[in-house]
Amino acid sequence: TVMTQSPLSLPVTPGEPASISCKSSQSLLQTSGYNYLHWYLQKPGQSPQLLIYLGSNRASGVPDRFSGSGSGTDFTLKISRVEAEDVGVYYCMQSLHTPMTFGQGTRLEI
Amino acid sequence: QVQFVQSGAEVKKPGASVKVSCKASGYTFSSYALHWVRQAPGQGLEWMGWINAGSGDTRYPQKFQGRVSITRDTSANTVYMELSSLRSDDTAIYYCGRDDCVGPCYPGAYWGPGTLVTVSS
Repeated sequence: TVMTQSPLSLPVTPGEPASISCKSSQSLLQTSGYNYLHWYLQKPGQSPQLLIYLGSNRASGVPDRFSGSGSGTDFTLKISRVEAEDVGVYYCMQSLHTPMTFGQGTRLEI
Repeated sequence: QVQFVQSGAEVKKPGASVKVSCKASGYTFSSYALHWVRQAPGQGLEWMGWINAGSGDTRYPQKFQGRVSITRDTSANTVYMELSSLRSDDTAIYYCGRDDCVGPCYPGAYWGPGTLVTVSS
């Protein structure tokens, strides 16, 4: 399953919103009703961290300025008001089909 | 709290094998699957496979079939990833990551710090 993110680079101003798109080549919606699409942030020099799981659920400790939406093949990660600490590379990943696959990554820059 | 300690950096020659370990603590080891993901220098993330820490069942991408083996030692709460026939393009940071399950399970709720493997003659 090919995951395609856009944009690949996202310059933003602190306090402004930001949005990243992730499209999959196959549906990620299981018959259970869950979308097996997750979002991760990798800050410079760090391991990835989970932001959003199963399409729209914020992981523990993730600020509520982050939100995930979408279903099937089209998904979006939104940051309502970007802060300086949000800098890094954002990845979407699907875990419904084997092999699990990541998007190319979107580099968010202040 | 959930924590992972990974083995130290490795330098290997082309054609050799490497075995990276990931020791877990802070939860019931056999209750969750663990994944291995790698990141070549300046590149994105690549999934290398998965092990059910309870049953030992594994799944690998076709790309790595025959070259990668993920195993676990439940007595040591440790998962291992062995990659053979190393090439220069296997140079990467290798991360272990654990599933979490809220209803369905999903990967990467927790991650290890990574292990740098360098393949060079």
